[in-house]
Amino acid sequence: AQSVTQPDIHITVSEGASLELRCNYSYGATPYLFWYVQSPGQGLQLLLKYFSGDTLVQGIKGFEAEFKRSQSSFNLRKPSVHWSDAAEYFCAVGEGRDDKIIFGKGTRLHILP
Amino acid sequence: DTEVTQTPKHLVMGMTNKKSLKCEQHMGHRAMYWYKQKAKKPPELMFVYSYEKLSINESVPSRFSPECPNSSLLNLHLHALQPEDSALYLCASSLLANEQFFGPGTRLTVL
Repeated sequence: AQSVTQPDIHITVSEGASLELRCNYSYGATPYLFWYVQSPGQGLQLLLKYFSGDTLVQGIKGFEAEFKRSQSSFNLRKPSVHWSDAAEYFCAVGEGRDDKIIFGKGTRLHILP
Repeated sequence: DTEVTQTPKHLVMGMTNKKSLKCEQHMGHRAMYWYKQKAKKPPELMFVYSYEKLSINESVPSRFSPECPNSSLLNLHLHALQPEDSALYLCASSLLANEQFFGPGTRLTVL
């Protein structure tokens, strides 16, 4: 069965610092991978996705993620965070055969001024 | 139109009330979803409609009743809910490959 692990429940970084949020998945074939962001009380916004091809994917708001098959990872990065990036970040995996995606438990990002 | 809309934004209901949540998308997406999200938790899938037919029901209690009147509209009918059903209810839609686009949600409080 598929699973997604986000090892960090909370991450705190200073504004302007770089960011990396970790995501590991368990799946036999090449999965479809997603990162979503959710501000408090809001819906989820898709930041980026990986289906196939180039393993470094660019997303919105200056985010990127790298698919590493050997490590079963899809970590999210941003070179310089802004206070508005404070939110909950969810990694998700789908297999494409049905319409389900499995979410990780999320990482809450806090930004220090 | 590139968004999923949900109404109402907030809903307070008693345990004997009947209410409905509404979701709409005009992106031509073939699949629509209902999720329930409790505070500090990821969304939990409830139902999936594909081409207007119910394709997935994640063993949701019958007090939640989904309806898909057409390819753009998805409803969730609520009846005899419990206080533990209070949550953020999210609608999503997708065209392909699990890439789901979410609405802003309805904050439901059951008294």
